[in-house]
Amino acid sequence: DAGVIQSPRHEVTEMGQEVTLRCKLISGHNSLFWYRQTMMRGLELLIYFNNNVPIDDSGMPEDRFSAKMPNASFSTLKIQPSEPRDSAVYFCASSRTGSGNTIYFGEGSWLTVV
Amino acid sequence: GENVEQHPSTLSVQEGDSAVIKCTYSDSASNYFPWYKQELGKGPQLIIDIRSNVGEKKDQRIAVTLNKTAKHFSLHITETQPEDSAVYFCAASMTSGTYKYIFGTGTRLKVLA
Repeated sequence: DAGVIQSPRHEVTEMGQEVTLRCKLISGHNSLFWYRQTMMRGLELLIYFNNNVPIDDSGMPEDRFSAKMPNASFSTLKIQPSEPRDSAVYFCASSRTGSGNTIYFGEGSWLTVV
Repeated sequence: GENVEQHPSTLSVQEGDSAVIKCTYSDSASNYFPWYKQELGKGPQLIIDIRSNVGEKKDQRIAVTLNKTAKHFSLHITETQPEDSAVYFCAASMTSGTYKYIFGTGTRLKVLA
């Protein structure tokens, strides 16, 4: 079975540009998580969706960040405008309600904002 | 809210020796405790998990123990091999409600050949 698929794997962009990260959930999963990983803060939960509905977005750092689930299997995380301090690895993860709460991570999108 | 502390932050062991990583949590309502392994350039991968109705769980060279009273749980790796070198994260969560994982800060394990 295919795991969580993220794109792009690496992105280098200039400050002020819009960044869009994409995620495809594991087939049959209905919960979606966006995490950010940095050396300073470790793994931080940004937002959590269940059945396409945002349940907890308390981790979204600023209004520059937005996340959507246009359908049950796909999500985007957008940063507009991007800033150097947004440089991090962004992970998408998914799970299936009732499967015991196990979440599965994608390989991450490595973002560098210069 | 929940807080998870993980120790040590780095750990070096000789190949063949055992490694132990410890985590403590604060919220007594947490009842699910997964461990993830993250290799360089990759996403965290689940390696073992334990639920609060179990005190110990083993999977080949990996074991996890849970002490609900003391609110701590540990990862044990026996007969370590160079491919065990990675960053290991513990987490605490609940199997109902928000499904929110609180991660520890990670342990960088180096297995010396």
